[in-house]
Amino acid sequence: QSGLTQPPSVSGAPGQRVTISCTGSRFNIGEGYDVHWYQQLPGAAPKVVIYANNNRPSGVPDRFSGSRSGSSASLVITGLQAEDEADYYCQSYDSGPSGWIFGGGTKLTVL
Amino acid sequence: QVQLQESGPGLVKPSETLSLSCTVSGGSMSGFYWSWIRQSPGKGLEWIGYVFHSGSTKYSPSVESRVSISMDTSRNRISLRLTSVTAADTAFYYCARIAGSGRSVAYDPFDIWGQGTLVTVSS
Repeated sequence: QSGLTQPPSVSGAPGQRVTISCTGSRFNIGEGYDVHWYQQLPGAAPKVVIYANNNRPSGVPDRFSGSRSGSSASLVITGLQAEDEADYYCQSYDSGPSGWIFGGGTKLTVL
Repeated sequence: QVQLQESGPGLVKPSETLSLSCTVSGGSMSGFYWSWIRQSPGKGLEWIGYVFHSGSTKYSPSVESRVSISMDTSRNRISLRLTSVTAADTAFYYCARIAGSGRSVAYDPFDIWGQGTLVTVSS
């Protein structure tokens, strides 16, 4: 039951909207643990863009939003910009032995 | 603001011990959980474990038998030791702080990350 599932890749043209899904189980997201989203630019460390399901840290554009429902969560980016091209990871907590878990990551390509 | 900086050997031989340090600057270590996370080249993120300022630790089952994380508040340093390494342990290793929201730590994100350090396991 450990691990979160994300699509390997998504893409969109500048100005468009993209959604990245994150599917867990009743042992993590479904048990009510919060979902956090990280953006990882090439060669850089991950950075939080959404925490606790739908909260933006200061400095993150309001084009980024998140939601959680049942055992899944989503990251939505509207008004896509070239600078948004990166890998995105969801993260939560698993009540089994795994502890902190990540999704496999989604590569966002801005066409 | 708080910054983290990992350091240590970039090359470790198979079966030997990987040892890394993470120096915390710009803030206190007390009251926070400090984690190590790794990322194999071109792959996803894997949580390794954490240490709390009380000294308590929790590790991922995938490395639990080989890993030790400790902290030295007098030196503002968090340490990682991973024994009996193999090529599968080749990765970027990040130290990260778990944000202290006041709720259970299980609900908090990794809010501050170091830049990461690449460790290659090879003879």
